[in-house]
Amino acid sequence: SQTIHQWPATLVQPVGSPLSLECTVEGTSNPNLYWYRQAAGRGLQLLFYSVGIGQISSEVPQNLSASRPQDRQFILSSKKLLLSDSGFYLCAWSVFLREELFFGSGTQLSVL
Amino acid sequence: AQKVTQAQTEISVVEKEDVTLDCVYETRDTTYYLFWYKQPPSGELVFLIRRNSFDEQNEISGRYSWNFQKSTSSFNFTITASQVVDSAVYFCALSEAVGNAGNMLTFGGGTRLMVKP
Repeated sequence: SQTIHQWPATLVQPVGSPLSLECTVEGTSNPNLYWYRQAAGRGLQLLFYSVGIGQISSEVPQNLSASRPQDRQFILSSKKLLLSDSGFYLCAWSVFLREELFFGSGTQLSVL
Repeated sequence: AQKVTQAQTEISVVEKEDVTLDCVYETRDTTYYLFWYKQPPSGELVFLIRRNSFDEQNEISGRYSWNFQKSTSSFNFTITASQVVDSAVYFCALSEAVGNAGNMLTFGGGTRLMVKP
């Protein structure tokens, strides 16, 4: 069966520091991968999605970036975090675009 | 552009009551998918159901049931005999099955359901 791993679960970072969140999927090949952000008490916002290695589409302009160095690995990065980057970050995968997503357990990021 | 509205931000019920979570959507496409997700306090979103726009049959799964009505662009979710474990934030989502790659899942703002013992 397929599983998705996301880490770390919580992260506290100072403003201006770099960020690297990692997500890996097991049990499937060539998944579509996604990064979502959920601000406190609000809905989900799609940040990036990827249909294959090295292919990244950005939905929202920001100081975050994403990379997919391997088929089942998706990384969310930032060179310098802002206060507004605080939130709950969720990685997800799907078999087909626009069909159901399966989510990781999320990373709670606090930028202080 | 697609849009999902969950007008109820918070609902509080007592255990064993029935509760309906509303979802209204907007889309210009005739082919689309609708989804419901549950987000318990642990944070992980759990997929509950996907409905194709061509299938208007209502669905029942245990205490959960879904009422899809294209005429009113609604996809409501009912929990029968609610339990404390049903307490969570519930999200409705929409995706257009065709079109440009930017039409990924669009989520509503979520409804926080609190079931009190």
